[in-house]
Amino acid sequence: SAVISQKPSRDICQRGTSLTIQCQVDSQVTMMFWYRQQPGQSLTLIATANQGSEATYESGFVIDKFPISRPNLTFSTLTVSNMSPEDSSIYLCSVEDWNSSYEQYFGPGTRLTVT
Amino acid sequence: QKEVEQNSGPLSVPEGAIASLNCTYSDRGSQSFFWYRQYSGKSPELIMFIYSNGDKEDGRFTAQLNKASQYVSLLIRDSQPSDSATYLCAVRKYGNKLVFGAGTILRVKS
Repeated sequence: SAVISQKPSRDICQRGTSLTIQCQVDSQVTMMFWYRQQPGQSLTLIATANQGSEATYESGFVIDKFPISRPNLTFSTLTVSNMSPEDSSIYLCSVEDWNSSYEQYFGPGTRLTVT
Repeated sequence: QKEVEQNSGPLSVPEGAIASLNCTYSDRGSQSFFWYRQYSGKSPELIMFIYSNGDKEDGRFTAQLNKASQYVSLLIRDSQPSDSATYLCAVRKYGNKLVFGAGTILRVKS
């Protein structure tokens, strides 16, 4: 499976600021996704990162709050904007390659704490 | 009704026993189903997926799917303390996105 890295691995940020999380894959992949896992909860999909076009957001998530870029087939960023303590979560990118039986793999995650 | 439901547990089994983890889903049109294992403080790790009715075996793990009952399960044979984790059931939806259940905590006691 693809090797996925995320930066930063964790951060503590002040409310009102923004943080950009990077997801890098060691090979080209078809699909990239961003998930959020709030404390003690399961995973919720934020959006599908589309290469060369605007991301597709799930209900309850908007581009102004979570802008996403995907400039190529190995890299994506998620920005958490104007942060509040409610944004404290683990943010995970996942990738799927249609050449690999549609299996979806997760990066190590970014643990964000907003104070 | 949640799209994917799991018993939160914890499910406690003795070492060497079979652990049975269950999941139900609401969308009858769902086609493929995934089991992930998540250790505390780590990201989810794919165990296996299944898309045909019946059983699929991989080592100590067996996934079982019954589309008529909208039910998918994961059996772990010869459970080990290292299997203690949260097990997440996920259903693939349109656009290849996954919808996750809340997860079942498994504790294997030595």
